[in-house]
Amino acid sequence: DAGVIQSPRHEVTEMGQEVTLRCKPISGHDYLFWYRQTMMRGLELLIYFNNNVPIDDSGMPEDRFSAKMPNASFSTLKIQPSEPRDSAVYFCASSPRGGARTEAFFGQGTRLTVV
Amino acid sequence: AQTVTQSQPEMSVQEAETVTLSCTYDTSENNYYLFWYKQPPSRQMILVIRQEAYKQQNATENRFSVNFQKAAKSFSLKISDSQLGDTAMYFCAFMKVDGTSYGKLTFGQGTILTVHP
Repeated sequence: DAGVIQSPRHEVTEMGQEVTLRCKPISGHDYLFWYRQTMMRGLELLIYFNNNVPIDDSGMPEDRFSAKMPNASFSTLKIQPSEPRDSAVYFCASSPRGGARTEAFFGQGTRLTVV
Repeated sequence: AQTVTQSQPEMSVQEAETVTLSCTYDTSENNYYLFWYKQPPSRQMILVIRQEAYKQQNATENRFSVNFQKAAKSFSLKISDSQLGDTAMYFCAFMKVDGTSYGKLTFGQGTILTVHP
């Protein structure tokens, strides 16, 4: 298995622009998570999906952030408009429903820089 | 809500020696998992070791072992025979097991470990 695939790996954009981060989870995983990592706040959960349905988006910082999962193999996290304080590493992770491998599998992250 | 605390922002150790990273957590749950993840400079999050709360036996994975004290809500990571490749940020993480949120993690602040030659 190729693991969780995120794109792009790096993104530099200007303030006010729309940014879309993409994630392909591991096939067969029921859960998909978006995390954000910053120096100040560490790793925090933004939103997660179960079988493509958003379950908890309480971590989404503002209405400028939105996430979708149109099918089991693809999810997006969109920021519109972007601001410099959105600069962070954004991780996507997926997880199976229980079993011997109960853990979260992470993608390599997208480093977002908003200038 | 759960909280995870790592009280050591930075640690250092000489190659081949042993180091222990601390983690405490707070929860009212009885069924949960605890994890240690490693994040090297490549920023990939790598699972180091996992502990199921219902298991009394401490988990071990080669040079990595944990000291799980459920009553004290403590979950430390011991790295034996430290190697230069162990240099990374280490995160302690908590996962509730309730049938609705597999993989949903609450992380500690992280500990930067540097292994010196």
